[in-house]
Amino acid sequence: AQTVTQSQPEMSVQEAETVTLSCTYDTSESDYYLFWYKQPPSRQMILVIRQEAYKQQNATENRFSVNFQKAAKSFSLKISDSQLGDAAMYFCAYRSWATSGTYKYIFGTGTRLKVLA
Amino acid sequence: DGGITQSPKYLFRKEGQNVTLSCEQNLNHDAMYWYRQDPGQGLRLIYYSQIVNDFQKGDIAEGYSVSREKKESFPLTVTSAQKNPTAFYLCASSIRGTSTEAFFGQGTRLTVV
Repeated sequence: AQTVTQSQPEMSVQEAETVTLSCTYDTSESDYYLFWYKQPPSRQMILVIRQEAYKQQNATENRFSVNFQKAAKSFSLKISDSQLGDAAMYFCAYRSWATSGTYKYIFGTGTRLKVLA
Repeated sequence: DGGITQSPKYLFRKEGQNVTLSCEQNLNHDAMYWYRQDPGQGLRLIYYSQIVNDFQKGDIAEGYSVSREKKESFPLTVTSAQKNPTAFYLCASSIRGTSTEAFFGQGTRLTVV
């Protein structure tokens, strides 16, 4: 069974600085998707970034980028130029490749990010 | 606007009563999911469905039941057998196939007293 681990329950970053959130996962599959979701105080889940396992290039979305290390099963999120609006709970998630038949999204326990003014 | 609607946003029930949480989507997604969120435990999968009239148990299905009679709807019933039902419940959907992310509703906060 696949598992997702986020070992940092809480992180803090100064406004305009850079922060990295860690995520590791365990799987025997070779093809899969990885995601970072943001959950602000409204509790609405918002997709931040996605990575396809078959792609070697790390995904980037504006100030958000990932460091995907497939062999190490590591998927960290880097937030550059942190803004007050980045304060939220961040979840790492895994989804298996669709050809496996039955697939589901597996989430980590989350990292609460605080942004200090 | 396309999206996922969960209702109600807040729900209160007395202990021992069954309660049904609604989830409707107009995204034409095949797959739908129910998650439970508790502090420090992330999102845990309760049930999921890939197609109409079919669904699978997730990691914490005990005390819950679902139905999938229509593509758009995936209601979750929290039964009296669920020992700790007070939680935040999230419904999600996704396209079955090569597309990727799950889209989420705004959640229902269930409080059992």
